Amino acid sequence: QKEVEQDPGPLSVPEGAIVSLNCTYSNSAFQYFMWYRQYSRKGPELLMYTYSSGNKEDGRFTAQVDKSSKYISLFIRDSQPSDSATYLCAMRSSGDKLTFGTGTRLAVRP
Amino acid sequence: GAVVSQHPSWVICKSGTSVKIECRSLDFQATTMFWYRQFPKQSLMLMATSNEGSKATYEQGVEKDKFLINHASLTLSTLTVTSAHPEDSSFYICSARGNKEQSTKTQYFGPGTRLLVL
Repeated sequence: QKEVEQDPGPLSVPEGAIVSLNCTYSNSAFQYFMWYRQYSRKGPELLMYTYSSGNKEDGRFTAQVDKSSKYISLFIRDSQPSDSATYLCAMRSSGDKLTFGTGTRLAVRP
Repeated sequence: GAVVSQHPSWVICKSGTSVKIECRSLDFQATTMFWYRQFPKQSLMLMATSNEGSKATYEQGVEKDKFLINHASLTLSTLTVTSAHPEDSSFYICSARGNKEQSTKTQYFGPGTRLLVL
C-alpha cells in the first residue's frame, strides 16, 4: 500500500465549477500537508500549506485536513481554464522528507 | 522571491555518457537542496538531500555512485548522472530551502530537466 493515495483522474469540469481534490494517507506521523500545482513539463508550485487538522483559505482555494480520517482535500471555487494542471498533495512528519501523491490531472473546460 | 532555476531544461544523450544538471537558487541562499525524479504519471520520488558543504544523503535504492550530487555553494547544486542508460530517462526536479524556511521547511521547486537517454 502506498503511503499517499491520490486519484490520478483526469477530472474534467466546466468553467465556474467547484473542484474537489483529495488524498488519503496511512502514516499517522504526517503533520504538515501541502498542495502543489504542476503545469505540464514544469516544476511544482506551492499552493497551500497546512499544519495539523483544520481549514485554510487563500482566495479561491481552501485546504482541509482531517487527521482522524487521514484525509486531506483541496477545493477550488469558480474554477478557470488557467487552473488546468496536475495537482499534487504532499505531506511530511517533523523532518524534511516530502511524500507526494501521484497527482490529479484537472481540466477546466471554457 | 524564492526562485529556483535548472539547466538544462532538457537533454538528449547517448547511452554510456554522463550528464550534469545544475540547480540554482536565484534570490536566496539554499542551505538544503533536494533532488527528485518523476516518471510519467507517477509521483515525485526523492532521490537525495544535500546540505551545503556536506555529502548528500541518498534515499534507499538510489545509487550514490551513479547519481553524483555536489552542493558546493549556497546557491548551486549539481546532479551528475554517470554512464546514463535508457532507464535513467526521466524528469529530474530539484528543490531548495533557505534559512527563512527552517520552521516551515518549505521547499521551492525548479522547473525540471527532462533527460532522454538513447
